[in-house]
This record gives sequence, structure tokens and C-alpha cells, in this order.
Amino acid sequence: DTEVTQTPKHLVMGMTNKKSLKCEQHMGHRAMYWYKQKAKKPPELMFVYSYEKLSINESVPSRFSPECPNSSLLNLHLHALQPEDSALYLCASSQGGQGYHNEQFFGPGTRLTVL
Amino acid sequence: AQSVTQLGSHVSVSEGALVLLRCNYSSSVPPYLFWYVQYPNQGLQLLLKYTSAATLVKGINGFEAEFKKSETSFHLTKPSAHMSDAAEYFCAVSGSGGYQKVTFGTGTKLQVIP
Repeated sequence: DTEVTQTPKHLVMGMTNKKSLKCEQHMGHRAMYWYKQKAKKPPELMFVYSYEKLSINESVPSRFSPECPNSSLLNLHLHALQPEDSALYLCASSQGGQGYHNEQFFGPGTRLTVL
Repeated sequence: AQSVTQLGSHVSVSEGALVLLRCNYSSSVPPYLFWYVQYPNQGLQLLLKYTSAATLVKGINGFEAEFKKSETSFHLTKPSAHMSDAAEYFCAVSGSGGYQKVTFGTGTKLQVIP
């Protein structure tokens, strides 16, 4: 199974809502990533988890809160978002560990619209 | 710091013509280089990767790329474009091992004209 799955596919939320994005992989990868992608732009790294520990936080606002319950799951909790947070949110995973190439496998993304 | 530059935000080719998408990298150490493709409203799919094993890298869907250290380039080519190749293509660079950050280029949108 070389697939990364993300739910939901689409999400519309108000600025006062709390919602969560979910990501799952069953490739035995130990590194998982959240990216944000605005239209006509490359993905921007938000967070990296390595062996279930937060390893990189790219100065993301606290209204985004990541969580890695286990090696297969990655969540992104959303609270009090702004309209400019509307974007495609991509999850990815890679083998992780020293000596492994950083080929990342991407999920299909969640299209988030903040009203 | 590592970075990649993609020349040309839009490239148009006729169906059956050669596809050439340009990528130049900047890295103080031997880089790991990737090409990803993104179809509309989808995630990114890895086309190919360079990891220093061979300078000419073959990928999926008939694409290949050549690593040229003297030119700091990693251009993507395909001999004959197909309508299904129309998509956004991203060149990317990373360090080695673990969870090193991957830095993407700004992307090139490929249009294939019938």
C-alpha cells in the first residue's frame, strides 16, 4: 500500500469553528508532514513529525495545532482561522531515519475554505 | 541553504513534441533532487529522483532528467508530449537522511496543444 489518505476532501468552516484534518499512511513511514498550498504556488512546509515527535515547526500560527497519535496517523486541528488560511492542505510521509532518501509520498489534500 | 529555480512559469508544447522543463539548483553539498507532478485539485506525485547513483534518471510516464553538476541543472524531458501530461511540475531539493526539509521551486505549468 503506497497511499496516503486524507479526510475530508473538502471543508468549509467559519472563523469561530473548530475542525480537524486527518491523514493516514500504512507504508511504515516514520516521518509525516503538513504542507499548505495556495493557488498557483508551491507547497509550503508547516510541520514535520519524526517518530511521532514534532521535529520542525515553520513558525506556524497557533491557530493550527498538529498532533501525531501514532506512527500511521497525523491530525491538524484548526481553530479561529482567518479567510487567508483558505488553501489546499497536503499531508505527506517519508521513510524517515538516517540513510533514507527523502522521497515524500503525498495525499490528495483537503481543500479548506474559511468564511 | 538549498534552493531550486524553475525557469518559465508556463510552457506550451504541441502534442508529440519534446517537453523540456528547466530546473537549476543551488546547494553547498551534493543535493537530493526531485521532480513532482500535480494535476488539478490533487496532491503531488513523484516523477523521479536524483540521489547520486546515476546522472541520468528515468522516471514514470516516460519522463527523465539529467543531473549536470557543471551547470547545476536538473532539467526534465520527455521525447513526445501527450495530452495527459498537462499539469503543474515542481522541481525540489533536500538534504540527505531523516526528515530533512524539502524545498520546492515555484512550479511550471505545462500546456499541451492538440
